[in-house]
Amino acid sequence: ILNVEQSPQSLHVQEGDSTNFTCSFPSSNFYALHWYRWETAKSPEALFVMTLNGDEKKKGRISATLNTKEGYSYLYIKGSQPEDSATYLCASYSGSARQLTFGSGTQLTVLP
Amino acid sequence: EAQVTQNPRYLITVTGKKLTVTCSQNMNHEYMSWYRQDPGLGLRQIYYSMNVEVTDKGDVPEGYKVSRKEKRNFPLILESPSPNQTSLYFCASSFTSAGELFFGEGSRLTVL
Repeated sequence: ILNVEQSPQSLHVQEGDSTNFTCSFPSSNFYALHWYRWETAKSPEALFVMTLNGDEKKKGRISATLNTKEGYSYLYIKGSQPEDSATYLCASYSGSARQLTFGSGTQLTVLP
Repeated sequence: EAQVTQNPRYLITVTGKKLTVTCSQNMNHEYMSWYRQDPGLGLRQIYYSMNVEVTDKGDVPEGYKVSRKEKRNFPLILESPSPNQTSLYFCASSFTSAGELFFGEGSRLTVL
């Protein structure tokens, strides 16, 4: 079982603040890194799927970077809004295990 | 509308009473998977299927069975539920095992 870790576990920010959180994963046999956004009472929805070292992806105010050599990914939210409040999950896919392993998530609360 | 449909959404049952949670997708995805989510833990994979008649154990398969007789359906069977199977269950599908997952709405199961 891969060890995928996310930090911090939870985070409270004020509306308008920019924030970021981290996902770390084993760099050996890396194949893909996923980010999902999971709002309360809904199902997780994909934000990004990244495969290449140095990859950067952006969707509106949310962006992500990937470092496969050192085994980490950052998710950035610029100018947080209350509707960004959710749990953000990352998951790493290993080519050897052929399995997507999820971290335990970062719970973001944006205060108005 | 592309979707993954799970039923039931909520269920309270008693120890030992067999139950099935159905999952159906309309996106012609080959890969389907079941996860359970428990407080403080990430999504943990129970079983997955790469294609029709091809299923395999995930990280926490004990006490569960699955079948994949048709491409669109992937039911999760609890032959003799126990209280430690009380959890939130998600079905997900994708074109490939490494690709973006599309999640169902979740099934909250309580075993008394």
